[in-house]
Amino acid sequence: EVQLVESGGGLVQPGGSLRLSCSASGFRFSAYVMFWVRQAPGKGLEYVSGIGSDGRDIDYADSVKGRFSISRDNSRNILYLQMTSLRPEDTAIYHCVKDGVDFWGQGTLVTVSS
Amino acid sequence: VVMTQSPLSLPVTLGQPASISCRSSQSLVYSDGNTYLNWFQQRPGQSPRRLIYKVSNRDSGVPDRFSGSGSGTDFTLKISRVEAEDVGVYYCIQGSHWPRTFGQGTKLEIK
Repeated sequence: EVQLVESGGGLVQPGGSLRLSCSASGFRFSAYVMFWVRQAPGKGLEYVSGIGSDGRDIDYADSVKGRFSISRDNSRNILYLQMTSLRPEDTAIYHCVKDGVDFWGQGTLVTVSS
Repeated sequence: VVMTQSPLSLPVTLGQPASISCRSSQSLVYSDGNTYLNWFQQRPGQSPRRLIYKVSNRDSGVPDRFSGSGSGTDFTLKISRVEAEDVGVYYCIQGSHWPRTFGQGTKLEIK
C-alpha cells in the first residue's frame, strides 16, 4: 500500500523556519518525481516545489523561490522541504505528492503568525 | 508549460452534463509516445484524488460518468450526469514536461 506521511508542520513566527518531511512507502520512491503542493485556508491548490527522481532537477514556484529548499533522501525514502523567512501568506496545509498525482499525503499544517 | 482551464466556475443542474477544458501551451506527447495529462478532483474538506490518467484512463473506483479525452494540447473532462457528490474543484496536470504544472482549477457547483 502506498503511503505518504508528512510531518514537521506547526506554528512559527514570521521570519522563522521549518523543515517538513514526507516519509514514503509502498512504491519505488527513487524512481519518481516528487513535489509539494499547498493549500491556504479557503484557497485552491498551489504548486510549491518539485524534485526529479535523482534530485538533480529542482523547481520552485516564484512565491517561494530563494526561501524554500526541496531535497530528498532516496536511501531513506524521505522528501524534505526546508522553509525559511516564512511569511503569513505561507500559512497552508502542505501536501507531499507523488508524480502522476495518484497518491497524496494527508498534509501538514504550517501556520505563520506572531 | 502553461495549463489553462476553462471555465473557472461551472454551475450545473443535477443530472445534467458538465465539461471542463484544459489547454497546454506545448504538446503533451512525451518521447515514449504517451500523453501524460491527468485530472484530479478535490471535494470540500477532502484531500485531492486522481480521476483520470494519461488523458482517458479512469482510476479504480471512479464512476463511469467521468470521461477524459483529447490529444496534443487540447483536453476535456466530461461528466455525463452531474451528481451532488461531484461538487468540488477539478484540476488538470501535465507530467510530460519539467516542471510539472497544473491548471488553475474549475469549481463545479450545483445550480
